[in-house]
Amino acid sequence: QQQVKQSPQSLIVQKGGISIINCAYENTAFDYFPWYQQFPGKGPALLIAIRPDVSEKKEGRFTISFNKSAKQFSLHIMDSQPGDSATYFCAASGGSSNTGKLIFGQGTTLQVKP
Amino acid sequence: DAGVTQSPTHLIKTRGQQVTLRCSPKSGHDTVSWYQQALGQGPQFIFQYYEEEERQRGNFPDRFSGHQFPNYSSELNVNALLLGDSALYLCASSLDRGNTEAFFGQGTRLTVV
Repeated sequence: QQQVKQSPQSLIVQKGGISIINCAYENTAFDYFPWYQQFPGKGPALLIAIRPDVSEKKEGRFTISFNKSAKQFSLHIMDSQPGDSATYFCAASGGSSNTGKLIFGQGTTLQVKP
Repeated sequence: DAGVTQSPTHLIKTRGQQVTLRCSPKSGHDTVSWYQQALGQGPQFIFQYYEEEERQRGNFPDRFSGHQFPNYSSELNVNALLLGDSALYLCASSLDRGNTEAFFGQGTRLTVV
């Protein structure tokens, strides 16, 4: 119940295309869902985050869609660029046993081809 | 405004030795969490420090311990190192222990030989 499942494991997209990464969770106490971007040899960088009271949040080319009933959320990267090539992690936290404790998905390696 | 800083960036230790990693949180943050990231995996939560006390702990053995200082900086100590402890160790800082934005440092790459 503590897991966050992420798919796909890897993704190849053409420049200008849309990249979509999906995550699913079981613990209904989770109430904070961030996405992180990580380049090789670097720490994860916070991209965008959402809470269950909204179904969508957009920041620039990045959009999170959230489906509370299905316990799923996804990251959409519009107009994908070669500079977006990185590993993306979804995460979740919340509930008395997980306050401030991020539980990460397994990661998605994105390659954007020029 | 300096972000989260970690030291050292790389470290090589021998099996059985002990290691100390250090973290300075982002300015204004009072909560420090430590994560272990094995190659090709997502970060795994080790523990969280707030008000100089361990508040949350993940599924890691007692060989992993920590400390938080009055200036909110933190140390991660690992005793009796195993080959399997080789990983990227990440520090994240946030505000007030809660489910808020957490910012990560660049990590310390620990190699145990």
